[in-house]
Amino acid sequence: AQSVSQHNHHVILSEAASLELGCNYSYGGTVNLFWYVQYPGQHLQLLLKYFSGDPLVKGIKGFEAEFIKSKFSFNLRKPSVQWSDTAEYFCAVNAGNMLTFGGGTRLMVKP
Amino acid sequence: ETGVTQTPRHLVMGMTNKKSLKCEQHLGHNAMYWYKQSAKKPLELMFVYSLEERVENNSVPSRFSPECPNSSHLFLHLHTLQPEDSALYLCASSQIAGEGAGELFFGEGSRLTVL
Repeated sequence: AQSVSQHNHHVILSEAASLELGCNYSYGGTVNLFWYVQYPGQHLQLLLKYFSGDPLVKGIKGFEAEFIKSKFSFNLRKPSVQWSDTAEYFCAVNAGNMLTFGGGTRLMVKP
Repeated sequence: ETGVTQTPRHLVMGMTNKKSLKCEQHLGHNAMYWYKQSAKKPLELMFVYSLEERVENNSVPSRFSPECPNSSHLFLHLHTLQPEDSALYLCASSQIAGEGAGELFFGEGSRLTVL
């Protein structure tokens, strides 16, 4: 069975700091990869996705993620975070039409 | 507005009650999902319906009973729940093939409290 690990459960940053959230998955076949974000009191929404092609994908709000197949990783990055990025971030892997989520990372950005 | 609408948004019920959660998607998708989101646990997939047939139930207790009458509607019937079933229940939909397959669109969730 596939699994998804997010190593950072809680991250606290100051505004303008750089962000990198780790995501590793275990599945040997072809996967589609996602990052979802859940702002306080809001629904889960897609931040970015990788299906094929360029392993560096850009999403909304200045976020990007890099798929490194050899490391089974899909880390999320943002060069300079803002207070409004405070949210919970979920990595997800889709293999065989089953979407498996990581445990989530709560990001707090201090103004 | 996400294209996936869940009702009710909040529900409080006793352990002997019977209630239902409703989900409706307006995106023309052909797969629908129920997820459970509780504190300190990853999102748990409960049920998947693909082309209106259940394809996954992940060993969910029988006190949760899904129903998918058509590709736009999904229900979760609840009876004799336990306090540990209190959580946010999320509905999602997706396309199962073609452009965008696998990307889930979520509703805002139904917050369930079992007393």
